[in-house]
Amino acid sequence: AQKVTQAQTEISVVEKEDVTLDCVYETRDTTYYLFWYKQPPSGELVFLIRRNSFDEQNEISGRYSWNFQKSTSSFNFTITASQVVDSAVYFCALSGDYGGATNKLIFGTGTLLAVQP
Amino acid sequence: GAGVSQTPSNKVTEKGKYVELRCDPISGHTALYWYRQSLGQGPEFLIYFQGTGAADDSGLPNDRFFAVRPEGSVSTLKIQRTERGDSAVYLCASSLRRLPGDTQYFGPGTRLTVL
Repeated sequence: AQKVTQAQTEISVVEKEDVTLDCVYETRDTTYYLFWYKQPPSGELVFLIRRNSFDEQNEISGRYSWNFQKSTSSFNFTITASQVVDSAVYFCALSGDYGGATNKLIFGTGTLLAVQP
Repeated sequence: GAGVSQTPSNKVTEKGKYVELRCDPISGHTALYWYRQSLGQGPEFLIYFQGTGAADDSGLPNDRFFAVRPEGSVSTLKIQRTERGDSAVYLCASSLRRLPGDTQYFGPGTRLTVL
């Protein structure tokens, strides 16, 4: 079975602090895909990053960075110098190797990040 | 270009009524998905369309739920005999191709409230 665990339900930081959101996944597939989405108070899910299981290189995009470690089945997300606009619920999601039968995403329960000014 | 659009944004109905929720995917996207998000939870998969056909409807909770995509573009999620437990935000997403792991782009959702 596939599963995504985001153990941090809520995180509160003060602006300019760095914050890391944890994501642990379970899958038996050798080929799979991991995603992060942001859901601001407006409600719309915004795509942030996609990573396939064969690419373990860490990625940096501005203040955002992602650490993918297959050895620990983790795909953690770090925001450097957080800003109030980063306040949102962040979801980690997994898509497996379904042999073309489907392309569904399995989501974690999300982490609510509150950045205080 | 325009993103995924969903109508209505809010729908309030009474228990036992029939509702239709509409999704208009990003132009040119061949794959379409429906998810349901309950308060405080992550989205849960309902159904996946490749073109006009439902390739995977394993997430539909029961036979009161049905979805169509007759021309391979717009999709309608239909719920019969609504129950209070159906109250949730219904999200639609689309992706450019049918390839595994293709990025899904989400619409703003329809908030369904069943009284």
